[in-house]
Amino acid sequence: TQLLEQSPQFLSIQEGENLTVYCNSSSVFSSLQWYRQEPGEGPVLLVTVVTGGEVKKLKRLTFQFGDARKDSSLHITAAQPGDTGLYLCAGLISGNTGKLIFGQGTTLQVKP
Amino acid sequence: ETGVTQSPTHLIKTRGQQVTLRCSSQSGHNTVSWYQQALGQGPQFIFQYYREEENGRGNFPPRFSGLQFPNYSSELNVNALELDDSALYLCASSPSGGAGETQYFGPGTRLLVL
Repeated sequence: TQLLEQSPQFLSIQEGENLTVYCNSSSVFSSLQWYRQEPGEGPVLLVTVVTGGEVKKLKRLTFQFGDARKDSSLHITAAQPGDTGLYLCAGLISGNTGKLIFGQGTTLQVKP
Repeated sequence: ETGVTQSPTHLIKTRGQQVTLRCSSQSGHNTVSWYQQALGQGPQFIFQYYREEENGRGNFPPRFSGLQFPNYSSELNVNALELDDSALYLCASSPSGGAGETQYFGPGTRLLVL
């Protein structure tokens, strides 16, 4: 059973376009993290959101945690080729120390 | 400060064989978690070690086992390899295994089982 559903799984867009990636679950998470992974490397943490309704910005990336802490979104404004990669959301369930539950990932390709 | 390192980077084995993967945690970190990432999927939690003791396990059979050493480096052992074990194996270290701590991932070991 996939606890975290990410959509879309694949996204190919032109440079300058905006996009949103969604991460949904029926479970409540104590925190949710977004990672970016490039080929041949491990995931690198982009952000952690903890509070329901929280919004965090990292340059052109905006992350939002749902009010009920069951879902999250990642919005990229004016995408650039350097944004190309695999984006993963991962949730922590309260009491499960350190056990990150990952979504399937969204493969983003930004064409120049 | 040295990051998380893993060895080997790539490995090819045949069905039924055994494999040992190694991970050196980031300096100052005493917790190591192992994940399996199949092609096109997100990582799946295998288990976590905190100060040489197993501290949580995911839905993996007993032929997946691990060790953590006094210097907090770790090994993942897989016995009786199956074709479906082909994947990228990631280890991640964190300072003390606390909830919400950032986990720092290594580059992974890509295992191919033929």
